[in-house]
Amino acid sequence: DTGVSQDPRHKITKRGQNVTFRCDPISEHNRLYWYRQTLGQGPEFLTYFQNEAQLEKSRLLSDRFSAERPKGSFSTLEIQRTEQGDSAMYLCASSLLSGGSGETQYFGPGTRLLVL
Amino acid sequence: AQTVTQSQPEMSVQEAETVTLSCTYDTSESNYYLFWYKQPPSRQMILVIRQEAYKQQNATENRFSVNFQKAAKSFSLKISDSQLGDTAMYFCAFIPNAGKSTFGDGTTLTVKP
Repeated sequence: DTGVSQDPRHKITKRGQNVTFRCDPISEHNRLYWYRQTLGQGPEFLTYFQNEAQLEKSRLLSDRFSAERPKGSFSTLEIQRTEQGDSAMYLCASSLLSGGSGETQYFGPGTRLLVL
Repeated sequence: AQTVTQSQPEMSVQEAETVTLSCTYDTSESNYYLFWYKQPPSRQMILVIRQEAYKQQNATENRFSVNFQKAAKSFSLKISDSQLGDTAMYFCAFIPNAGKSTFGDGTTLTVKP
């Protein structure tokens, strides 16, 4: 059973450019989460999906951010018109929600974004 | 909205000794789960231990155990027989049945030889 994978692992871009990150969850996990983590801080919730439905979005997720999970498997997070303040680690996690039991989120290695 | 507070930004412990990391949280929900995650330097977030709020028994995983006090909204992590590999940042997390997960700002633990 492979873990959560994220691509790319590192991204350097210039301010104003668009970037897209991909997350592949553990197979058969029906929930997928995106977080942003800045240095020395805990992960900040951005959004989550149950299957292909996006169920909640943080107010942190401005209009420049969009996430999709079109077939309920992998997900993409796009940031348009990047700003220097977007520089952070973007983490993806997945979990299996079944029968009302609790879920454990398993994290990917993250994509580190640097906006110049 | 939930909040998670880790009041100890940094802690250190001698190898083989015991250390306790504190976490408090605030919520109006009745069904939720609490987790401790470990993030070694420049490495991936790893699950340490989890606790279901409806269970009174404290969770244990080998050298790791929690002290869950639901009424006080407290969820501390005890690491026994600390090892050098335990050096990492530790995050306390509140995860409801549905909706937003909330993480604390972390405690950096250094295990000294």
